[in-house]
Amino acid sequence: SQQGEEDPQALSIQEGENATMNCSYKTSINNLQWYRQNSGRGLVHLILIRSNEREKHSGRLRVTLDTSKKSSSLLITASRAADTASYFCATVRAYNNNDMRFGAGTRLTVKP
Amino acid sequence: DVKVTQSSRYLVKRTGEKVFLECVQDMDHENMFWYRQDPGLGLRLIYFSYDVKMKEKGDIPEGYSVSREKKERFSLILESASTNQTSMYLCASSQPGTGRYEQYFGPGTRLTVT
Repeated sequence: SQQGEEDPQALSIQEGENATMNCSYKTSINNLQWYRQNSGRGLVHLILIRSNEREKHSGRLRVTLDTSKKSSSLLITASRAADTASYFCATVRAYNNNDMRFGAGTRLTVKP
Repeated sequence: DVKVTQSSRYLVKRTGEKVFLECVQDMDHENMFWYRQDPGLGLRLIYFSYDVKMKEKGDIPEGYSVSREKKERFSLILESASTNQTSMYLCASSQPGTGRYEQYFGPGTRLTVT
């Protein structure tokens, strides 16, 4: 069963704007990850945040995690047309590091 | 860089055929995974393997089997393909015990069963 649920399902913005995607999950986690998928391709790992972390940065990416609300957000700043892709959150369950579950994804379109 | 390759990008098979999807990784990872991806449903885990000859069922194992005879290779088998198995199939690998949990994905195989 899916663990994470992304919101919104689709997002369309202009180049230069910020994009925010949210993820909610249900069980206790060891960590949460975000992946990107370009159309018709495999997924690429973007960033991982552990359950004892609240915020993490990587280049133009900022991830937050609120374990009390069981939610995470991914912020992409100063978006570019090349950021157009689907973004998935994935949760690794506490006590079972092999159990990683993906959400349905957010489709981001960045218009030039 | 980790490289995960899948045997075919596109595959068309007929109902009832036995289908083999192969995945190879070159980083000596212990864990390997098979997912299917359908619109609106995200990725759903079919099977995973944490060692040679070891496997565990994921969320949707019905109609599928797997084989891992060598560490680098993980095969997904559709015993008798059906139209509801038309989907994108993604293979991934990861290395446990390093504190790095990310999975590395292959490019995917888009399977159509007619």
